Amino acid sequence: GEDVEQSLFLSVREGDSSVINCTYTDSSSTYLYWYKQEPGAGLQLLTYIFSNMDMKQDQRLTVLLNKKDKHLSLRIADTQTGDSAIYFCAESIDDYKLSFGAGTTVTVRA
Amino acid sequence: GAGVSQSPRYKVTKRGQDVALRCDPISGHVSLYWYRQALGQGPEFLTYFNYEAQQDKSGLPNDRFSAERPEGSISTLTIQRTEQRDSAMYRCASSSGLAGADTQYFGPGTRLTVL
Repeated sequence: GEDVEQSLFLSVREGDSSVINCTYTDSSSTYLYWYKQEPGAGLQLLTYIFSNMDMKQDQRLTVLLNKKDKHLSLRIADTQTGDSAIYFCAESIDDYKLSFGAGTTVTVRA
Repeated sequence: GAGVSQSPRYKVTKRGQDVALRCDPISGHVSLYWYRQALGQGPEFLTYFNYEAQQDKSGLPNDRFSAERPEGSISTLTIQRTEQRDSAMYRCASSSGLAGADTQYFGPGTRLTVL
């Protein structure tokens, strides 16, 4: 079972913001990651954040990290139909292996 | 190469057969990882190599699973005497450095179906 937990589904209207939440367990995780999986495709790295940061912004993506609560979130601004996918949160364990959540399926409706 | 490649992309086999899954990492990447992803779940760590040395095989489910990377580049994950519960997506990833902060880049995966 996963030590990383995510909500399973999110439905959002095109043009709105999406927020995907994740909680993790290993307080020594150096990096936390967000990956995107589209149907029939591999896992694509979206962004990552170093554990001593609170926030990272990358174009439409904003990552917020609350290390005290072990809570990570990914905000996608101006969500588009191409953002429909499964989003995985992952934490680094022992500085090399990744522990993934079960994924959040994001559906963008017109 | 441009990215991590895996072959075959799909493999259907009968229970009891052996299968070999291949991973070709990004050129020059030192570290290579294998993960297994069941339907509706996130990937789970299987094993990891630095160059040709297998550093951690704690995620391999049992002794039917083995992996090698003899020349520090291409890796093969072998499953002997396959069982239906082995059916999953097997994903390979590589990173440029000796683990630590390096980002793992994933291949497209091999979908294994054991009948």
